[in-house]
Amino acid sequence: DTGVSQNPRHKITKRGQNVTFRCDPISEHNRLYWYRQTLGQGPEFLTYFQNEAQLEKSRLLSDRFSAERPKGSFSTLEIQRTEQGDSAMYLCASSLNPSWTAYEQYFGPGTRLTVT
Amino acid sequence: AQKVTQAQTEISVVEKEDVTLDCVYETRDTTYYLFWYKQPPSGELVFLIRRNSFDEQNEISGRYSWNFQKSTSSFNFTITASQVVDSAVYFCALSESERDDKIIFGKGTRLHILP
Repeated sequence: DTGVSQNPRHKITKRGQNVTFRCDPISEHNRLYWYRQTLGQGPEFLTYFQNEAQLEKSRLLSDRFSAERPKGSFSTLEIQRTEQGDSAMYLCASSLNPSWTAYEQYFGPGTRLTVT
Repeated sequence: AQKVTQAQTEISVVEKEDVTLDCVYETRDTTYYLFWYKQPPSGELVFLIRRNSFDEQNEISGRYSWNFQKSTSSFNFTITASQVVDSAVYFCALSESERDDKIIFGKGTRLHILP
């Protein structure tokens, strides 16, 4: 399977714990995006990388959230001191972009986080 | 500010009927991209179409067709002869590519195709 993969698919954690999610983009895709989707809503942009550089962070991304893409391949999204409001589906997407051109983004299956 | 509105929260039609999903967008940019994604019950978003702001030609792909009208800032999606497998949530989305290509999604329309 050469699509975007995400691990784990489901995560249940207690409030206050830290969690980390991983995303493996389609190989050779230079852009990688994180989105969050809550029930009944469309995905909301969190952050994106061009290769290893994090180019933009949404205001939705509080200080408890951090994302990395150290070698320009896979990415991790960490949430520290989780809160119940963090419960959502976290989606990763990747695309192949030259500058300033919006090519379609391909999404992974998501990681569903439940904070109890 | 950029915004995507999908006024239809939920639609139910009987199989083989045609159905149109509405999408209205707001942007101040002259260059932008519009998308439709499908999210079946399995949850994974599936890319359907991308259209740039300079191409107002309507597009047809099998039973799917898209009507882009800049004059009304609309990008509607029609499924002809609907099938039960078309049941899903459909998202319209916008990207203002001059700055970055993060996608702004609408809230989605849940489509039920009844057998």
